Amino acid sequence: SQTIHQWPATLVQPVGSPLSLECTVEGTSNPNLYWYRQAAGRGLQLLFYSVGIGQISSEVPQNLSASRPQDRQFILSSKKLLLSDSGFYLCAWSPRQSQNEKLFFGSGTQLSVL
Amino acid sequence: GQQVMQIPQYQHVQEGEDFTTYCNSSTTLSNIQWYKQRPGGHPVFLIQLVKSGEVKKQKRLTFQFGEAKKNSSLHITATQTTDVGTYFCAGDRGAQKLVFGQGTRLTINP
Repeated sequence: SQTIHQWPATLVQPVGSPLSLECTVEGTSNPNLYWYRQAAGRGLQLLFYSVGIGQISSEVPQNLSASRPQDRQFILSSKKLLLSDSGFYLCAWSPRQSQNEKLFFGSGTQLSVL
Repeated sequence: GQQVMQIPQYQHVQEGEDFTTYCNSSTTLSNIQWYKQRPGGHPVFLIQLVKSGEVKKQKRLTFQFGEAKKNSSLHITATQTTDVGTYFCAGDRGAQKLVFGQGTRLTINP
């Protein structure tokens, strides 16, 4: 069966520090991968998605970047965090085989930038 | 760009009362999905609706997709404390991208 791992679960970082969140998927090949951000009490905002190694699409201009160095690994990064980067970050995957597939979310990372 | 609006933002009910959340899109959707996020948890897929006017049921949950495929609703009959959480609709934007509504947070008084 497929599983998705996301870490760390919580993170407190000072303003201006770098960020690296990692997500890996097991039990499937060639997944579509996504990074979402959820502000407190708000909906889910799509940040990045990837359909293959090295292929990253950005949805909103921001202080963050994403990379996919391996088929089942998706990394969210920042060189210098801003206060506004605080939020709940969710990695997700969906099967590549067809469109309109449901998303499977990781357990999320609660990021607090102070 | 395509937007998906969801109302109400919050809903508090007594246990046993019914609950409904509504989702409206500015454009026609190819399909709509519903997710549930428990407090402190991550969104979990509930169901997908594809056909115009489609109605699907999961026990006490009834999902509808509008005739014009621009709106959808989730109705819970006789809520239980296990129904607590935030319910999201998500419309398909094509190219493997979903647009999520803001969610409806349901709290229940036992």
